[in-house]
Amino acid sequence: EVQLVEAGGGLVNPGGSLRLSCATSGFTFSHSTMNWVRQAAGKGLEWVSSISSDGNYIYYADSVKGRFTISRDKAKNSLYLHMNTLRDDDTAVYYCARGAAEFDNWGQGTLVTVSS
Amino acid sequence: DIHLTQSPSSLSASVGDTVTLTCRTSQTISSYVIWYQQRPGKAPKLLIHAASSLQSGVPSRFSGTGSGTDFTLTISSLQPEDFATYYCQQSYSVPWTFGQGTKVEV
Repeated sequence: EVQLVEAGGGLVNPGGSLRLSCATSGFTFSHSTMNWVRQAAGKGLEWVSSISSDGNYIYYADSVKGRFTISRDKAKNSLYLHMNTLRDDDTAVYYCARGAAEFDNWGQGTLVTVSS
Repeated sequence: DIHLTQSPSSLSASVGDTVTLTCRTSQTISSYVIWYQQRPGKAPKLLIHAASSLQSGVPSRFSGTGSGTDFTLTISSLQPEDFATYYCQQSYSVPWTFGQGTKVEV
């Protein structure tokens, strides 16, 4: 069974940093493109970032470019999102999702709240 | 960026009804549309990819059509578990973008 489990969310001050992680199991992580997608409360889905299976291709939404960094660790079957210079509008549930362009498996999400 | 517009934003329906949700894209994208279902408090679930291909395990009452700029998701014989919000997404080019969602409610 495919499992994606996010962790690392919490309350952070504007301008602060946070690192999210996504532990995976049940599939060949090293063969899978991985993504972060977020959702503000009561709002729609927003794609944040993608990383290819080999880590060589990385993409970001304009809203996070230069502030967020996606990475992966093949040995730990884990995905990460390093978030810097956080803003109020980064407040959202962050999901990790598997897939190159269609996201066929999702984690349960981790809540990031940016507030003073 | 490719913009997706879903209509209606919400609709009321009853168990057993057939409903049709629409997604329009700001440029032609062949059949590169995906549909997700999201129940309250849950992660999205992939229903349909490539505009009309049913994801494994998804009931056959869900169907998708369309190409170019206009796409539809039809749910036949609504079941209680189908009351949820549905999102379309384009898989044609980065940045991947979603529609704003259609909420199907009682």
